[in-house]
Formats: sequence, structure tokens, C-alpha cells
Amino acid sequence: DAMVIQNPRYQVTQFGKPVTLSCSQTLNHNVMYWYQQKSSQAPKLLFHYYDKDFNNEADTPDNFQSRRPNTSFCFLDIRSPGLGDTAMYLCATSRDRQGIGYTFGSGTRLTVV
Amino acid sequence: AQSVSQHNHHVILSEAASLELGCNYSYGGTVNLFWYVQYPGQHLQLLLKYFSGDPLVKGIKGFEAEFIKSKFSFNLRKPSVQWSDTAEYFCAVNAYGTDKLIFGTGTRLQVFP
Repeated sequence: DAMVIQNPRYQVTQFGKPVTLSCSQTLNHNVMYWYQQKSSQAPKLLFHYYDKDFNNEADTPDNFQSRRPNTSFCFLDIRSPGLGDTAMYLCATSRDRQGIGYTFGSGTRLTVV
Repeated sequence: AQSVSQHNHHVILSEAASLELGCNYSYGGTVNLFWYVQYPGQHLQLLLKYFSGDPLVKGIKGFEAEFIKSKFSFNLRKPSVQWSDTAEYFCAVNAYGTDKLIFGTGTRLQVFP
């Protein structure tokens, strides 16, 4: 089945230690997104790629970076994680700008200790 | 800026009761509308979506939603809830021509047998 796959499912990292989360898709969608969802809150868009065009949300901390080396893969890098970055990180894809075929991965639950 | 409001933060129902969850958005242009469900410990799943056409949309698991353009609303309904419907429900809006999906703050539904 065509899917959005996130690895790892669970990640524990130390305060200040860089961490990378990965997302891959077999849908050949143009757009890939990263959301942060803290406990009992709505998913919050961090940034997204339309093809190779990177779009950062205005309130996304500089600590968060992303890379999309090809259509299939997208990475979320947190350079110096703080305790407040403990959250579920969701990757999503869509075929185009209208949100058609918007598909979420299972998420990576990140805990910063 | 676009925003999505879900006024019911926590809803408690008995099985077989009827459900209506409110969702209002602020955006004057064309929108695509979505309802997602998140069961405890699981990822977001699409319940239903509206792009155009019949404003009454039927989704999975007996859910439906009605788009009322004049009220900027997209309320979710189910005539008879089940214990297994216990979950968090998120309304989301995509403004036509943008890449983003903006989520509401969510409604926690608890259904008791």
C-alpha cells in the first residue's frame, strides 16, 4: 500500500543533543509537511515543502530545520532539543496545494530528557 | 490569517446518544474542509472531507458533516454514538490555493456504555 512512513516511532533524546526524524512516502506527492502535536493540543504546522520549495511558518523556532533530498524523503532536524520540544511529530503529504489526498504518517513520539 | 474554532472542548455522551460537534472557520475565500479523528495512542485518520458539491458529506463510521457557507461552519454529526467513538476530533481547513491545513484545537469525545 502507498503510505507515509515515519521513523522511528519513538525517540528519546537528551536535552541539547541533536536529533533527526525521518519521513518517507510512496505516494509521489508533491507536498510534504511537518507538524508538531503536543499533548492534548492541535497539530501545529512547522514547515512544508512544495517540491523543493521550502516554506517555513513564521513562528517555527530556528532550532527546527528540515531537508528534502528527493521526492520521497523529508527530514526534521532539531539542533538543540529543549524539554518543551517533547511532542508527537507528524509528517503528512498531499498531492497538490488543495490538500487533495492529504495523508498523515503514524508519527514519531519524541521525548526530551 | 485563517483560523479554525471548535467550541466544544470536551463532550461526554452515553451510547446511542446523538452527536454534533461544532466547527467554524475564518476565511472569506474558497476552502476545503476536513474532519479527522485520533483514537488514543494512534495517528490522525480522515473521517470525511468537503471540496465542492453537495454540502452534506458522508464519511466513515456513520459520521456526516454539513458545510454551511453563510455561517462559515462545518459541523460534524452522528445520529447514534458508540463507545468505540471515544477519541479526539479535529476540524481542519485548507484555503484554496495554499498548501496548509489549519487545525482546530480539537474536541475530546468520551462515550460511556
